[in-house]
Amino acid sequence: GENVEQHPSTLSVQEGDSAVIKCTYSDSASNYFPWYKQELGKGPQLIIDIRSNVGEKKDQRIAVTLNKTAKHFSLHITETQPEDSAVYFCAASNWDRGSTLGRLYFGRGTQLTVWP
Amino acid sequence: DADVTQTPRNRITKTGKRIMLECSQTKGHDRMYWYRQDPGLGLRLIYYSFDVKDINKGEISDGYSVSRQAQAKFSLSLESAIPNQTALYFCATSDLGQGITDTQYFGPGTRLTVL
Repeated sequence: GENVEQHPSTLSVQEGDSAVIKCTYSDSASNYFPWYKQELGKGPQLIIDIRSNVGEKKDQRIAVTLNKTAKHFSLHITETQPEDSAVYFCAASNWDRGSTLGRLYFGRGTQLTVWP
Repeated sequence: DADVTQTPRNRITKTGKRIMLECSQTKGHDRMYWYRQDPGLGLRLIYYSFDVKDINKGEISDGYSVSRQAQAKFSLSLESAIPNQTALYFCATSDLGQGITDTQYFGPGTRLTVL
């Protein structure tokens, strides 16, 4: 099955700085890469995702990049704010509409702390 | 009201007891999942169900069983709880038929402690 590795496990940044979290995956058939944010006491929530036919996607202060050749993808958060503090999970999936294969494989998570 | 609810939210039990965690959703989604979260280990899949008649094991199904009573309900049971099953458990749902991606929607979690 797929193996997703995520680094770093903890990340501390000053408010206003940028944060980068990196993930690698093992299965070249994976084609869908979401990122989830888990705030304290809550379940994870999708914040951005990317499919394998796209190299980069942005949504305001967050962006995700994908390098299929190297099998790695990254989450970039610019102008960080204290409310960005949370655990972030990357995931990979071989997603095919109508297929039973489309389960997510998660990385181990990154605890991001943004200091005021 | 929340779209994905889990009961109970917290549970303390003793070794050897049978425990059931329940998940209900109002999103009308076909797919439901049970995950376990441990510090430093991320989210690990226990079981998943793509419809009422379909149940699949995840990578850590030993010691757990599930029941999909209806499209909206998916229960996780620990037949004989042991201390290393102490963890945070999440239910999630996703919709096979909509969009081009498989966004999962998570419940608020159940914190289980086995003494």
